Amino acid sequence: NAGVTQTPKFQVLKTGQSMTLQCAQDMNHEYMSWYRQDPGMGLRLIHYSVGAGITDQGEVPNGYNVSRSTTEDFPLRLLSAAPSQTSVYFCASSRLQGRATGANVLTFGAGSRLTVL
Amino acid sequence: GESVGLHLPTLSVQEGDNSIINCAYSNSASDYFIWYKQESGKGPQFIIDIRSNMDKRQGQRVTVLLNKTVKHLSLQIAATQPGDSAVYFCAENRGGGTSYGKLTFGQGTILTVHP
Repeated sequence: NAGVTQTPKFQVLKTGQSMTLQCAQDMNHEYMSWYRQDPGMGLRLIHYSVGAGITDQGEVPNGYNVSRSTTEDFPLRLLSAAPSQTSVYFCASSRLQGRATGANVLTFGAGSRLTVL
Repeated sequence: GESVGLHLPTLSVQEGDNSIINCAYSNSASDYFIWYKQESGKGPQFIIDIRSNMDKRQGQRVTVLLNKTVKHLSLQIAATQPGDSAVYFCAENRGGGTSYGKLTFGQGTILTVHP
C-alpha cells in the first residue's frame, strides 16, 4: 500500500513549456485534489475530483488542467508554464464518507517541486 | 475571501514541555477543522480534527480546542518531543455539499523542539 504517489519530485521548466505532474493513489479513494504551497501562503486548492469523470475548480485553477479517467490517477497539466507557477505541488486523496458534513481527512503525497525559469 | 490564520509563526519549546499552537479563523460558517503536521520535505500529515458541535477533542498526546465565540482553534501537544518539530497547519471547511474537500489552510506555525 503506497498511499499517494507523485512524480516527478523535482522539475525545472522554461517559460512556455508544458508538463504533467502525475498523481496516483492505491487506496480506492473517490476524492482527489491538487494543492500548491507557496511560502507564507499555506496550501491553496487548484482542482479537485469526487470521482472518475468528474472534476471541478478550486481556489486557484488558472493555468492548470486536470482530468480523472480512472479512480487511481489524477494528473495535473500545465499547458504553458509561467514563473508564477513556481511552487511545491501536493496531490491529496480521501474517501467520500462524511461528505454531508464536509469532513474529510486528506492523505497527501510527498510533493513535486516545480521551478519555472 | 475569508481565511484561516495563525497568531504565531514560530514556537520554540524544550523537550518535555507542553506546546500550544493557535489558529484564528474568520469564517463563521466553517463547521469542520483539521490540524496537519508537515515535516521538512514531506506532505502534510493528519493529526486531529474537530467538528463545530464540539469544544474539545483528544488524541494521543494531542488535544484540539475550539472556541466558536471568538473563532479560535488551538492544538495542544503534551510532553513535546524532538520528533514533533515540524510546521503545523490548521485548516477549515465550511461543510456539506459542494464545499466538500475544499479545505482552507492557514499559513502554518513552525514548531522547534530543543533537546
